[in-house]
Amino acid sequence: GQQLNQSPQSMFIQEGEDVSMNCTSSSIFNTWLWYKQDPGEGPVLLIALYKAGELTSNGRLTAQFGITRKDSFLNISASIPSDVGIYFCAGRDAGGTSYGKLTFGQGTILTVHP
Amino acid sequence: DAGVTQSPTHLIKTRGQQVTLRCSPKSGHDTVSWYQQALGQGPQFIFQYYEEEERQRGNFPDRFSGHQFPNYSSELNVNALLLGDSALYLCASSKGDSDEAFFGQGTRLTVV
Repeated sequence: GQQLNQSPQSMFIQEGEDVSMNCTSSSIFNTWLWYKQDPGEGPVLLIALYKAGELTSNGRLTAQFGITRKDSFLNISASIPSDVGIYFCAGRDAGGTSYGKLTFGQGTILTVHP
Repeated sequence: DAGVTQSPTHLIKTRGQQVTLRCSPKSGHDTVSWYQQALGQGPQFIFQYYEEEERQRGNFPDRFSGHQFPNYSSELNVNALLLGDSALYLCASSKGDSDEAFFGQGTRLTVV
């Protein structure tokens, strides 16, 4: 089945540093989404991307839909302690049977040291 | 504006039992999807309901079934529980054909 490879698996950074994580798929995607999940909570939608090459920002977060439609990345600038959590990429592939189905990556665990 | 709400928040069941989880979608949303999230993993798609019918299904056995009601709320039923069914079950709602899914806080199911 469809798989997303998300990297890195974990990151330990100092407050104020920039962060970059990415996600690759084995097939073409029509939609890329980025979520953040805190312990004991459900994922919260951060950014949604719909077109190849699209670059979208949400505050200190910036995400891009790769030109090949098989990858996406998320950048966080000037990290703060509340950025701690697990970040997931998710997407819907372009196959005709995937309608309504999101595939998730394995997650990137972000730790920010004050 | 109420977000996605799920009940119960925690549940402990014995192997072989049946369980029903409930979800109320975000106001204005008519589509409900269910996901299973094992510890340390990303969510896995179970199925999606729209207009009271299952529109899409992931790779889960028939022991997993669902229902959507006229008010768009939904239930997830799991029969003949296995130890491996222990996970966080997430409900997500969206509007129509949108891929932007909004998640509830989840139900933590433990099978003993």
